[in-house]
Amino acid sequence: SYELTQPPSVSVSPGQTARITCSGDALPKKYAYWYQQKSGQAPVLVIYEDSKRPSGIPERFSGSSSGTMATLTISGAQVEDEADYYCYSTDSSGNHSGVFGGGTKLTVL
Amino acid sequence: QVQLVQSGAEVKKPGASVKVSCKASGYTFTSYDINWVRQATGQGLEWMGWMNPNSGNTGYAQKFQGRVTMTRNTSISTAYMELSSLRSEDTAVYYCARDLSSSGGGAFDIWGQGTMVTVSS
Repeated sequence: SYELTQPPSVSVSPGQTARITCSGDALPKKYAYWYQQKSGQAPVLVIYEDSKRPSGIPERFSGSSSGTMATLTISGAQVEDEADYYCYSTDSSGNHSGVFGGGTKLTVL
Repeated sequence: QVQLVQSGAEVKKPGASVKVSCKASGYTFTSYDINWVRQATGQGLEWMGWMNPNSGNTGYAQKFQGRVTMTRNTSISTAYMELSSLRSEDTAVYYCARDLSSSGGGAFDIWGQGTMVTVSS
């Protein structure tokens, strides 16, 4: 089955740039989506279609994708950005079969 | 406002089935796919499948095929997810989510509040 691979954890100091990667064989052909989940809350969409930002999401959140890797970048990370981040995409079967990455715990301190 | 409201927590015995509802409001229910995602305590998000509320077409993750059924009642703008042959590993919070993108992209912009399903003898 299709898998997306993320690092388990990323740590930065406030004001630094955090980068979270997501690798998958179908990413050259399929969009990546990024979700932020804080403890006890439902996930929130922060990036869609590789690099688009939904309304209400701060500009410091950006996304990119190249080859088999998608990247979520948080420029000038803030303490309130500390959360779990998940990438999501679909496989190349054409059946809209989705998969989440394992998640990355972002620590900002 | 646009929202998805899910049914309340459930406790089930192994081997039983559970049916979780997800009521949409604030938008045209038949215009966007509904996806279901679950999360065991302390674990990551797991995609279960999608349903097109207009056509009723569905697609399930291979892991759940044969055990999961996603349906809808358009007259009350409600989607349902039924999981059968429950086992302890199915204990999790189950979420419904609206997919804003076309063709099953994955832009889940609105989420339900989650429904805790506990499977215990």
